[in-house]
Amino acid sequence: AIQLTQSPSSLSASVGDRVTITCRASQGISSTLAWYQHKPGKAPQLLIYDASDLESGVPSRFSGSGSGTDFTLTISSLQPEDFATYYCQHFNSYLWTFGQGTKVEIK
Amino acid sequence: QVHLVQSGAEVKEPGASVKVSCKASGYIFTGYYIHWVRQAPGQGLEWVAWIAPNSGGTNYAQKFQGRVTMTRDTSISTAYMELSRLRSDDTAVYYCARGVAAGDHWGQGTLVTVSS
Repeated sequence: AIQLTQSPSSLSASVGDRVTITCRASQGISSTLAWYQHKPGKAPQLLIYDASDLESGVPSRFSGSGSGTDFTLTISSLQPEDFATYYCQHFNSYLWTFGQGTKVEIK
Repeated sequence: QVHLVQSGAEVKEPGASVKVSCKASGYIFTGYYIHWVRQAPGQGLEWVAWIAPNSGGTNYAQKFQGRVTMTRDTSISTAYMELSRLRSDDTAVYYCARGVAAGDHWGQGTLVTVSS
């Protein structure tokens, strides 16, 4: 089964910082990768699908890139509401696989 | 507007079963898979299963095979997840999500607590 490894597991950043989170797949997955933001007590929110397509209504400071095995989620200028845990997720015909998550905390 | 509304919190004893519902509105229910994802306390997101509401086809994560059953009632646009032989480590918030490759709308989550 495909494994997704995110790095870092957590990071501290300040408002206005540029933040990059990486997700590495154990084998090539083309562009079948999504990114979610998850806050405590809330449902996960889809940010990016197909590796780089911005979900409707998501601020443009979020962007995704990559294909094959290496992917990144970038927040161009971190805002107070962006402190959360971020997950990458892959889908093949039969199942979803999530990365272990990256917690973005206030510096 | 798309909404997924889940049933309320449950407290179950070890060995019991729980059935969580996910009622969809605002779109054609049979047009999208419904996935179930859980988050145990202090842990990350874990995929459980999906159901294709049009056909009733399902697929389950290997670790839940034999314990989880996904069903749906298209007449009321509702999907169900039943988990049996509950253990303490099944304590988690269970979410339903609409989508195929990714979940673009999610339910509010249902806390299932397994405790004697």
